[in-house]
Amino acid sequence: GAVVSQHPSRVICKSGTSVKIECRSLDFQATTMFWYRQFPKQSLMLMATSNEGSKATYEQGVEKDKFLINHASLTLSTLTVTSAHPEDSSFYICSAPKGGSDTGELFFGEGSRLTVL
Amino acid sequence: AQSVSQHNHHVILSEAASLELGCNYSYGGTVNLFWYVQYPGQHLQLLLKYFSGDPLVKGIKGFEAEFIKSKFSFNLRKPSVQWSDTAEYFCAASNAGNNRKLIWGLGTSLAVNP
Repeated sequence: GAVVSQHPSRVICKSGTSVKIECRSLDFQATTMFWYRQFPKQSLMLMATSNEGSKATYEQGVEKDKFLINHASLTLSTLTVTSAHPEDSSFYICSAPKGGSDTGELFFGEGSRLTVL
Repeated sequence: AQSVSQHNHHVILSEAASLELGCNYSYGGTVNLFWYVQYPGQHLQLLLKYFSGDPLVKGIKGFEAEFIKSKFSFNLRKPSVQWSDTAEYFCAASNAGNNRKLIWGLGTSLAVNP
């Protein structure tokens, strides 16, 4: 099946620093990618939709200045957690639809665990 | 509000036992339903999905799920589990024609003892 890769899988940073997480579709092009966040013992929550060549679409309650999303190419989207704080510690997962943003099957990255000290 | 609930958070079975994981949804309009699986150390991957048609859906690795509209349910079943089925299972739903906004259940952790 299609492959989506995230990097890094784990990152630990100090409070106040910024962290960038990459999401790549390795064998297909994705004009849209989705970023999720998962808190411990909670379900995946859609944070934003990354759109190649245009601004990301953020879900209600997600701070766009805190979570910067850039969809630089048809195979790469990045999520930057700016001025990270301990409450930003979480598991971040990206996905990309193959075959249409609304109807295509979603392929997921392996996730990135962020710990902010 | 739209929601997906999974009844079992942790399930422990012996090999060859039958499996049924519950999933109920609360959704307005036509709904698409999914089961995803995450094996230890691996990506989330699609197990099966229901869009329309036959409410009994067969997926990979011998799994199936039945959409029962009157019960707002989409339970996952497998007649005989194997140790390799040990994984986290997630039920998810979306409005028909818009897979983008999946609403996820909390997941069920399945451990199969050899």
